[in-house]
Amino acid sequence: QLHLQESGPGLVKPSETLSLTCTVSGGSIISSSFYWGWIRQPPGKGLEWIGNIYYSGSTQYNPSLKSRLTIEVDTYNNQFSLKLTSVTAADTALYYCASIEVTGGWYKLEYWGPGTLVTVSS
Amino acid sequence: DIQMTQSPSTLSASVGDKVTITCRASQSISTYLNWYQQRPGKAPKLLIYVASTLESGVPPRFSGSGSGTEFALTISGLQPEDFVTYYCQQSYSTPYTFGQGTKLDFK
Repeated sequence: QLHLQESGPGLVKPSETLSLTCTVSGGSIISSSFYWGWIRQPPGKGLEWIGNIYYSGSTQYNPSLKSRLTIEVDTYNNQFSLKLTSVTAADTALYYCASIEVTGGWYKLEYWGPGTLVTVSS
Repeated sequence: DIQMTQSPSTLSASVGDKVTITCRASQSISTYLNWYQQRPGKAPKLLIYVASTLESGVPPRFSGSGSGTEFALTISGLQPEDFVTYYCQQSYSTPYTFGQGTKLDFK
């Protein structure tokens, strides 16, 4: 069973860059069965898909964030990361990383990290 | 973007009831529809994928149906731990959008 854990600063200043890392354990990030994704949830609100990456480095981004977003994979350390530039208060949210199983043609967010709250404030 | 609309936003029920939450897509998504359950302060948990396939370990009182633009999550015989929030998500095309959520609360 996969285990995912988010890490990174809990407070980011407006206009700066939000950087988070997700560490995967219990399996290899080099897998043809999985994508690796980020989802966020503003306090008290619903879920927003941010984007995902394959171990090869191929990415899919939410167009609403694409101009500010970079998702990268580090196969050596079994991690993947998110960078979001020029943040504003609207980027304050609980950020989740997740494994996405794609075997069989489906796309299901199967294992999730516990989430990490990032607050954008000066 | 494909818009996902859940109804109702809040659903009041009692232990033992059978309830249905619906999810409507703004265009056809075939059966590329997932359902998640989220407890307060916790990450979402996958319940059902490709509209009707129960994720391993999920109790059989949960079931999903639908295709195209209309989908439903049915919970038969509500248990106390089921009174939380549910989300649908389309996985037909990016961005993989979620519904706004349905909160199930005690009547």
